[in-house]
Amino acid sequence: RKEVEQDPGPFNVPEGATVAFNCTYSNSASQSFFWYRQDCRKEPKLLMSVYSSGNEDGRFTAQLNRASQYISLLIRDSKLSDSATYLCVVNMMGYDYKLSFGAGTTVTVRA
Amino acid sequence: GAVVSQHPSWVICKSGTSVKIECRSLDFQATTMFWYRQFPKQSLMLMATSNEGSKATYEQGVEKDKFLINHASLTLSTLTVTSAHPEDSSFYICSAREGTGLGRSTDTQYFGPGTRLTVL
Repeated sequence: RKEVEQDPGPFNVPEGATVAFNCTYSNSASQSFFWYRQDCRKEPKLLMSVYSSGNEDGRFTAQLNRASQYISLLIRDSKLSDSATYLCVVNMMGYDYKLSFGAGTTVTVRA
Repeated sequence: GAVVSQHPSWVICKSGTSVKIECRSLDFQATTMFWYRQFPKQSLMLMATSNEGSKATYEQGVEKDKFLINHASLTLSTLTVTSAHPEDSSFYICSAREGTGLGRSTDTQYFGPGTRLTVL
């Protein structure tokens, strides 16, 4: 079983729509959780950290459910510039800061 | 924000040659740097963890004699792909974790722009 699993998509949505997707992680001892964004042939860029209480950053809302071991990302009022691959990232063991990456969920926002 | 650079951004080489990739943290001291590899449509796979002044820790299945890592200073780590072959063609990305200063979360990693290696 993969450490971090994501629905690969693609999610094709019109501008202005809301899109949401999840990822699951296998290690219940995971410490930190992140969503990264990766554009084609570029490096991943941190979108937001995910906290237990849930957190929001503009049009982006992240939720963490430790009991069910899943993380979600919701994008409201989608923009064309939101088209990217979103990587779910988990810090599996807090003391060595190693990150495990999901394979990514592709979102395409169309005009 | 924290900036990590990589050089070169792309390289094409012949089979059997060695290629060195540099990763630098430009505005912070990186106590730990990580090297990843990403094949098309796949996730980033951690190759090794590099701590300044000590030997790198390689992930299972990664040949340490093929992928030489040197982390000689708090701002520079290098990955050398020795005797590269076509199957080594990939996107190599480094990241750096800030150890001290600036007050940012210490488990946030900052990624370099990546190096695209093509071995003919």
